[in-house]
Amino acid sequence: SYELTQPPSVSVSPGQTASITCFGDKLGDKYVSWYQQKSGQSPVLVMYQDKKRPSGIPERFSGSNSENAATLTISGTQPLDEADYYCQAWAGSTVVFGGGTRLTVL
Amino acid sequence: EVQLVQSGPEVTKPGESLKISCKASGYSFTNDWIGWVRQMPGKGLEWMGLIYPGDSDTRYSPSFEGQVTMSADKSVNTAYLQWSSLKASDTAMFYCVRQAADGYFGEWGQGTLVIVSS
Repeated sequence: SYELTQPPSVSVSPGQTASITCFGDKLGDKYVSWYQQKSGQSPVLVMYQDKKRPSGIPERFSGSNSENAATLTISGTQPLDEADYYCQAWAGSTVVFGGGTRLTVL
Repeated sequence: EVQLVQSGPEVTKPGESLKISCKASGYSFTNDWIGWVRQMPGKGLEWMGLIYPGDSDTRYSPSFEGQVTMSADKSVNTAYLQWSSLKASDTAMFYCVRQAADGYFGEWGQGTLVIVSS
């Protein structure tokens, strides 16, 4: 079965750039979405079709996808960006989520 | 405004049956797929499957096929997830999601916590 692999954790200082990567075989051939989940809340879509931002998502969020890796980049990271982030893609007729990355802003 | 409002938390016993709901509003319920996502305590997101309310076509994740049943009632714009015999390992938060035409999940319900304990 298809798998998406994410690092369990990423740390970043406030104001710096955070990059969260999602690895999968030939992932660049698929569309990747990203979800942010803050503690005790439902996930929120922050990126879709690799690099499109939904309405209301700050411009500091950007995305890319190439070959075997997709990346969510947060520029000028703020303390309120601290959350778990999940990548997601379709593998045939099945939805696959990555294991999630905890972003710590310290 | 699109809203997915889920039913409240449930505390049940092993072997019992359960049906939780997800009421949709703000869009044409019959025209978009509704999915279900499980999140076990302290763990990540797991896709369970999808239902198309227009004709009740369902697609289950292999991991959940035969373990749960998805259904929808167009008359009340509500999707359901049900179990016939719960296990302690079914304890989790369950989210309903609206799938956009391009395959991403743009809207999420607030989640329904299911606790299965004797």
